[in-house]
Amino acid sequence: AAGVIQSPRHLIKEKRETATLKCYPIPRHDTVYWYQQGPGQDPQFLISFYEKMQSDKGSIPDRFSAQQFSDYHSELNMSSLELGDSALYFCASSRRGPETQYFGPGTRLLVL
Amino acid sequence: KQEVTQIPAALSVPEGENLVLNCSFTDSAIYNLQWFRQDPGKGLTSLLLIQSSQREQTSGRLNASLDKSSGRSTLYIAASQPGDSATYLCAVSSQGGSEKLVFGKGTKLTVNP
Repeated sequence: AAGVIQSPRHLIKEKRETATLKCYPIPRHDTVYWYQQGPGQDPQFLISFYEKMQSDKGSIPDRFSAQQFSDYHSELNMSSLELGDSALYFCASSRRGPETQYFGPGTRLLVL
Repeated sequence: KQEVTQIPAALSVPEGENLVLNCSFTDSAIYNLQWFRQDPGKGLTSLLLIQSSQREQTSGRLNASLDKSSGRSTLYIAASQPGDSATYLCAVSSQGGSEKLVFGKGTKLTVNP
């Protein structure tokens, strides 16, 4: 069965650089979520999209932005990177409603 | 604001033992509750989803129960195996908003051969 695809899997950036993370949801899933998991922490919700519209926003810094495209893939854009942005970034997808969220393998971002 | 707590934070058991992981949440107005497994540095694997109207779900050696009124869920693992060693995370989605998940900090399980 198809799973959530995230790219890249690993990313190393310098402080103040920008990064773009991509997420390809499971086919026919119309909702995408982004979560951030810091070292030794539980995942924290960043932002979600339903049918290409932002549906909810969590503790996402103003330096971050995201969007969902017509093919339902989503991108998380991160600017002016800080050391504290080093984390695992997960994308999850589901069908609308209280359905199972399926997580991708994550993108490990290291900011030096 | 929804808060999720998992007890214990870590658990070490011998192979073959049955065990229970606990999860509690502060706001009972939930859509559903999911249990996940996470291996070190890896992604989240969904184990079980319990809708708010359900009392339990079973998958193989796993059984999850939900008592929404008391804000509790348990994950029962039968006949544990070394391959079950991982961190188990409980997450809830609340009513009145998007279906974003709020996670507990997890229980790190070690099953010793």
